Amino acid sequence: DAKTTQPNSMESNEEEPVHLPCNHSTISGTDYIHWYRQLPSQGPEYVIHGLTSNVNNRMASLAIAEDRKSSTLILHRATLRDAAVYYCILNSGGYQKVTFGTGTKLQVIP
Amino acid sequence: GAVVSQHPSWVICKSGTSVKIECRSLDFQATTMFWYRQFPKQSLMLMATSNEGSKATYEQGVEKDKFLINHASLTLSTLTVTSAHPEDSSFYICSASSGAGNEQFFGPGTRLTVL
Repeated sequence: DAKTTQPNSMESNEEEPVHLPCNHSTISGTDYIHWYRQLPSQGPEYVIHGLTSNVNNRMASLAIAEDRKSSTLILHRATLRDAAVYYCILNSGGYQKVTFGTGTKLQVIP
Repeated sequence: GAVVSQHPSWVICKSGTSVKIECRSLDFQATTMFWYRQFPKQSLMLMATSNEGSKATYEQGVEKDKFLINHASLTLSTLTVTSAHPEDSSFYICSASSGAGNEQFFGPGTRLTVL
């Protein structure tokens, strides 16, 4: 499985933008970049995914490097409810198993 | 988005007993479901891939005779922890894909505590 690397933790002030980086230098051509987040004692929640182009949805934006070896999840205005562990994973298909890295624990400061 | 449920949400059992955890896709059919285990302050670890109508595929180091997986229908997969011991205490999470998109949808998890 292609691996991803993320910082262990990040902090953000409430209502400020947050940029969560992810490196995936061994990504293959068929791998989609997925982001999930997990609140304590809950299952992961889908955030966003993309292949090559930048993506936007109601939760976040995903910026993908031109060489696809890195990506950045952007939360435009962090709220206290965004405090969670964010996982960046690669997935070549819905039926394919994925490997979770350690993720980034985001702390939002009021 | 698609919804995946798990039952029970938490369970406490005595050492040596067996516990069954259900994972259901509520509004879509899932030929493939995945079972994960998560220990405190750690990431999710894939245990096995559950395939409807066939045997599950277990990850290296996961005992298939201890963690029995049954995927009898397109909307239900079960994980049975047999002869549970305190070291099996963990947060068990399932996921499923509708296949229409690329994302997996995760259940809310089941907290197992073995006394």
